[in-house]
Amino acid sequence: EIVMTQSPATLSVSPGERATLSCRASQSVSSHLAWYQQKPGQAPRLLIYGVSTGATGIPARFSGSGSGTEFTLTISSLQSEDFAVYYCHQYHNWPVTFGGGTKVEIK
Amino acid sequence: EVQLVESGGGLVQPGGSLRLSCTGSGFTFSSYEMNWVRQAPGKGLEWVSFISSSGDSIYYSDSVKGRFTISRDNAKNSLYLQMNSLRAGDTAVYYCATDPPGQGGEYFQHWGQGSLVIVSS
Repeated sequence: EIVMTQSPATLSVSPGERATLSCRASQSVSSHLAWYQQKPGQAPRLLIYGVSTGATGIPARFSGSGSGTEFTLTISSLQSEDFAVYYCHQYHNWPVTFGGGTKVEIK
Repeated sequence: EVQLVESGGGLVQPGGSLRLSCTGSGFTFSSYEMNWVRQAPGKGLEWVSFISSSGDSIYYSDSVKGRFTISRDNAKNSLYLQMNSLRAGDTAVYYCATDPPGQGGEYFQHWGQGSLVIVSS
C-alpha cells in the first residue's frame, strides 16, 4: 500500500497570503495524484487531478505541481472560503489512498 | 447537474448488518465507475470499495474485505453497500463517489452528501 504523508498538519495563514501544502508518497505515483477540499459538515470536493489539472469550476488561485513522490498544492491568495481541510489522494495503485489532511486555518 | 444521494445509515449493534444505497441523477449512471469512501468522526478519508460500470470488476480495502459487498443496479441508477459483521471501527460517514466517466481507478469526481453509520451497543 502506498502511504501518503501530508505536511504540515495545520497551516495558519492570513487572508490574501499564499498557502503551500505538501504531500509525499512512499513510492512513485507517477501523475496519478488528486487534491480535495473539505469544509466542516460537507463532502469533499475535487480540486485538482493529474497533479495539476483543475477540476471544473475551481478558481485559478488553486494550482498543483510535483511528480513521482513529491507534490504541492498552492493557493495563491487565500480567500475566506478557502479555510478548510485539504487531502491528497493517489490513484496509481490499488488500494487508492489518501493523505491525512492539512487544515488551513485563519491566522 | 450530477447528484448523488446516500441513504440507509443509522445506529446498529456490533455484529449487525446495514445496507447503504446511493442514487444518482443528472448523469448516465451506467457509464460511471463508482466507489464508497468513508470518514470516521474527526478523521481523514478512507477508500472502501470500487465497482466498475458494468459491475464485473470489484475491489475492496483490506479493512472491509469479506464483510462488505458492493453492488449496483444500473436500471435503478443505484449503488449499494451491504455491510455485515459491523464493528465499532466501521463507525463513519459513508460517501459514494464517481470516477470520471469511462475511467476506472481514477480520482473521485463527484461525491454524495454522505450517510452516517454508527456501530455501538
